[in-house]
Amino acid sequence: DAMVIQNPRYQVTQFGKPVTLSCSQTLNHNVMYWYQQKSSQAPKLLFHYYDKDFNNEADTPDNFQSRRPNTSFCFLDIRSPGLGDAAMYLCATSRDFTPGPQETQYFGPGTRLLVL
Amino acid sequence: DQQVKQNSPSLSVQEGRISILNCDYTNSMFDYFLWYKKYPAEGPTFLISISSIKDKNEDGRFTVFLNKSAKHLSLHIVPSQPGDSAVYFCAARHSGTYKYIFGTGTRLKVLA
Repeated sequence: DAMVIQNPRYQVTQFGKPVTLSCSQTLNHNVMYWYQQKSSQAPKLLFHYYDKDFNNEADTPDNFQSRRPNTSFCFLDIRSPGLGDAAMYLCATSRDFTPGPQETQYFGPGTRLLVL
Repeated sequence: DQQVKQNSPSLSVQEGRISILNCDYTNSMFDYFLWYKKYPAEGPTFLISISSIKDKNEDGRFTVFLNKSAKHLSLHIVPSQPGDSAVYFCAARHSGTYKYIFGTGTRLKVLA
């Protein structure tokens, strides 16, 4: 059973045209994350939510916004995509207490964004 | 400024032999370390983790070693199997936060 679902798996948009990527989870986890991963690079954290508490990384461009209307859903909005925003976008979740030996983040399959 | 480094982008190992993947970090405030495995077209999946208060954690064929003084951890897979061929990411968590920092990954190829 899928636990972290990302739609769509592939998204093509035009330069400057707003695009929204979505993520949903069935784990009831409090924390949700968005990462950007470019080819051969490390996944880079853009922001995360603890419940509705939004935490933005200092170097995340203003062009990237996020919404979390409820526990299950989280959206990544790219207001004016540039060619450099083409990447894999990964959503992840985790529980809200100190991780034990098997505690971790659960990732979705990612959405690959292409900007034309 | 990369706080988590995986200096080997790729590694090839013969089936049945040991695979050793390495990871170095710079921030002494990391308190928890994880290894993820990623197949093409899928998200990373959790493999094994270790707390900073330990120096070894074992789970079946997978063992993670942590050397805090050297700020180095390694993942040992023994025996290696063709199904282990994937990209392996090392990640570290900032103490007191929910923030994980990832390395760039090492592509492991296990040859039959």
